[in-house]
Order: sequence, then C-alpha cells, then structure tokens
Amino acid sequence: KNQVEQSPQSLIILEGKNCTLQCNYTVSPFSNLRWYKQDTGRGPVSLTIMTFSENTKSNGRYTATLDADTKQSSLHITASQLSDSASYICVVSARDSNYQLIWGAGTKLIIKP
Amino acid sequence: DAMVIQNPRYQVTQFGKPVTLSCSQTLNHNVMYWYQQKSSQAPKLLFHYYDKDFNNEADTPDNFQSRRPNTSFCFLDIRSPGLGDAAMYLCATSRGRGSNLFSYEQYFGPGTRLTVT
Repeated sequence: KNQVEQSPQSLIILEGKNCTLQCNYTVSPFSNLRWYKQDTGRGPVSLTIMTFSENTKSNGRYTATLDADTKQSSLHITASQLSDSASYICVVSARDSNYQLIWGAGTKLIIKP
Repeated sequence: DAMVIQNPRYQVTQFGKPVTLSCSQTLNHNVMYWYQQKSSQAPKLLFHYYDKDFNNEADTPDNFQSRRPNTSFCFLDIRSPGLGDAAMYLCATSRGRGSNLFSYEQYFGPGTRLTVT
C-alpha cells in the first residue's frame, strides 16, 4: 500500500536553531517527492520538488535530501525564523496509471523567540 | 501578484443550503483541482479538470459538484452541505499533459474556510 509517514508529528525549537524533518515512503513506482509549507489557515506553498535522480535540493534556508534506495527524505531548516512556524507536508507522486499524489500527515513546527 | 485566487476566504452557510466556492487563476494552467482539508489532516482530492474534462475521485460524495466555464475559473458547488462538510477547501492548478499530469507541480490558492451552522 502506498504510504507517506512523517516524523516528528510536532516540533518546538528556539529561533535561530536548525532542525530536520523526516519523511519515509513506501510509494512505488516513484515519480517525485515534494515538500510543502502550510501556514495555519492558508494553502500549501511548494518548497522543493525532487525526482529520482536528485539527492539534494535547496531553496534558501530549506534543504531537502532524497535517498531513493531507502525511500527516505529529509527537510533541513537552517537558522530558523519565527515565520518558519507552519506545517511541513511531504507528498510523493506515484508513477502508476493515475500518477496519484500520496500526502503525509505533516510535521507541525513551532519556532519560539 | 496572486496567481490562484479563491473567494470568499470565509463562508458560512446553513445546513442543507447550497453554497458555491470560486477559484480563478492567472497562470493559464490547463489543470485545476479541488481539495478538501479538515483540521490537522492532509488535503483530500475531490476532483480535477484536465482542460474541460472532469475527473471525479471515486470516494467524492455526489453532494459535491464542479464547473469550469473557462480556463481561468473553476467553481465548487455543495448542493446540500452537512455539518461534516465544514472544512478548508483548497483550489490548485498545474500544467499537465497526458497520463502524467499529477507529476507536475501544483500551485495552491489560500483556501476558503467553510462553516456549516
């Protein structure tokens, strides 16, 4: 069964600190993996989209990694800011007949001053 | 420079009273999606339009309908809202071609928060 699991479920860190969010998936065959940031009460905003051949992709202070062999991805946030407080959702696209998107439940990140 | 616009941002309707949510886009994308997101859950795809072709997810209730009069606009109609339909409704767009349209990046609007009283 295609699944995406994220950990931790929630995380609280101090402003300025780094953190890493995890995503494990069992989606096969794999098409691509995306990380979205969703502020409370807003729509998701894309941070990165990675294909099978990409190991690392950066977007400002956000760096995503992908290990297609172990089916794991991580999102590293450097020098966190208060505006980073949001839910971070990992989404995997399956290369099946429908190319469906499988959504993780998200990690709720809270940055404290 | 809003690219995907949803109106209204907040909508209150009465139990059983039809309601329409709207979405417009300036990206000229040929695919538009409607998602339902309940509190602390991942978005759930209701249906999508690939150009003018309507594609309903198998588990989307008949209570939910959609219209796409042109490339830029898409509407979500809830014929008889129940209390369980209270949620955030997200519109998204993407490019897409052929059978792999879900492999393209999706751009989301800010959402419409629907309350059913």
